[in-house]
Amino acid sequence: QQQVKQSPQSLIVQKGGISIINCAYENTAFDYFPWYQQFPGKGPALLIAIRPDVSEKKEGRFTISFNKSAKQFSLHIMDSQPGDSATYFCAASNLVGYSTLTFGKGTMLLVSP
Amino acid sequence: DGGITQSPKYLFRKEGQNVTLSCEQNLNHDAMYWYRQDPGQGLRLIYYSQIVNDFQKGDIAEGYSVSREKKESFPLTVTSAQKNPTAFYLCASTVAGGYEQYFGPGTRLTVT
Repeated sequence: QQQVKQSPQSLIVQKGGISIINCAYENTAFDYFPWYQQFPGKGPALLIAIRPDVSEKKEGRFTISFNKSAKQFSLHIMDSQPGDSATYFCAASNLVGYSTLTFGKGTMLLVSP
Repeated sequence: DGGITQSPKYLFRKEGQNVTLSCEQNLNHDAMYWYRQDPGQGLRLIYYSQIVNDFQKGDIAEGYSVSREKKESFPLTVTSAQKNPTAFYLCASTVAGGYEQYFGPGTRLTVT
């Protein structure tokens, strides 16, 4: 079964610190790697995504780092804020045809004031 | 406003009863998806539909059924055959050939 392994399960970061969440995948056909953010009781929302032709993508305080040879990608949240406290999911898919997303199990981030 | 609506937000049922969860979108998206979310389990795909009158099983389809009679609607029925139906259910959609999935607010189903 295609898997995406996400770590850590939970993370506590001080306000202003850097939050780092890691994911690893097995299927080398994956070519789209999004991160979703979910607040309690809400549906997930796309935060940032990367294709394997680049090694890094930055949007504001959020950065995806991608290592194709290691089959790993990570989310970095710079200057973490209490409002960033949420559950983060990595995912992967193959964009050929209508590929479905395979999600990691999620990381619950708490940013302490 | 464009978006995905799921109703109701909370749903309670007795064991042995079938229950249907609603998902409607006005984004003109072609593909729609149903996921189940359990604590610590991430999002697991139940069913998806790429076009009206067609749908495919996901990873955990047993005990569930769907229909796609209209482009904007993709209801999910949780049948009595689903052994552990209590969960948070999420509906999503995307444009044809697209990859960003837009999620609805979810329905929390509790079966006792």
